[in-house]
Amino acid sequence: EDQVTQSPEALRLQEGESSSLNCSYTVSGLRGLFWYRQDPGKGPEFLFTLYSAGEEKEKERLKATLTKKESFLHITAPKPEDSATYLCAVRETGAAGNKLTFGGGTRVLVKP
Amino acid sequence: GAVVSQHPSWVICKSGTSVKIECRSLDFQATTMFWYRQFPKQSLMLMATSNEGSKATYEQGVEKDKFLINHASLTLSTLTVTSAHPEDSSFYICSARDGDTPQYFGPGTRLLVL
Repeated sequence: EDQVTQSPEALRLQEGESSSLNCSYTVSGLRGLFWYRQDPGKGPEFLFTLYSAGEEKEKERLKATLTKKESFLHITAPKPEDSATYLCAVRETGAAGNKLTFGGGTRVLVKP
Repeated sequence: GAVVSQHPSWVICKSGTSVKIECRSLDFQATTMFWYRQFPKQSLMLMATSNEGSKATYEQGVEKDKFLINHASLTLSTLTVTSAHPEDSSFYICSARDGDTPQYFGPGTRLLVL
């Protein structure tokens, strides 16, 4: 069964303390891996799409990387405004690829 | 670009009434739209997928007669919760995609059924 697992479930960081979030996935074929940020009471905000192993994308303090089995979201020198839940989702190839499969999310809290 | 709106942002209704939530893609044509439900501190639960002009495909366990979805145009989808009950209270989020683009999400609608 296709599966997406995120770890850790929650992460508390001091401002400036860099860290990484993990998203491991099991799909028969990857059409795309997506990272979203979700603030409380709001819909997810799109961050990145990764399509193939070795691909990397950056946006401000965030950098996403992809291997054949997992993706990492690196947060460099985080600020309190980076506090949010980060969601990873995969879209697989084939008929089932019309929808995203989400991980459980990682709740990040950055303290000043 | 890639903005998705939802209306209303929150709604309170009495048990037994129906509630309609609108989802619009403002600056792109959404060939596929999705409706999710989210409980506190949980991830998104896909309810249904709809392609413009076609009937929605519901996920297992989602009552299609209770959650009516209409994707009448390339920019508008509606979710109607019929005969709402307190257990239907939740955060409902739509998303939209044009072909192979990423899915973009709306801001969500919080429903409280009294």
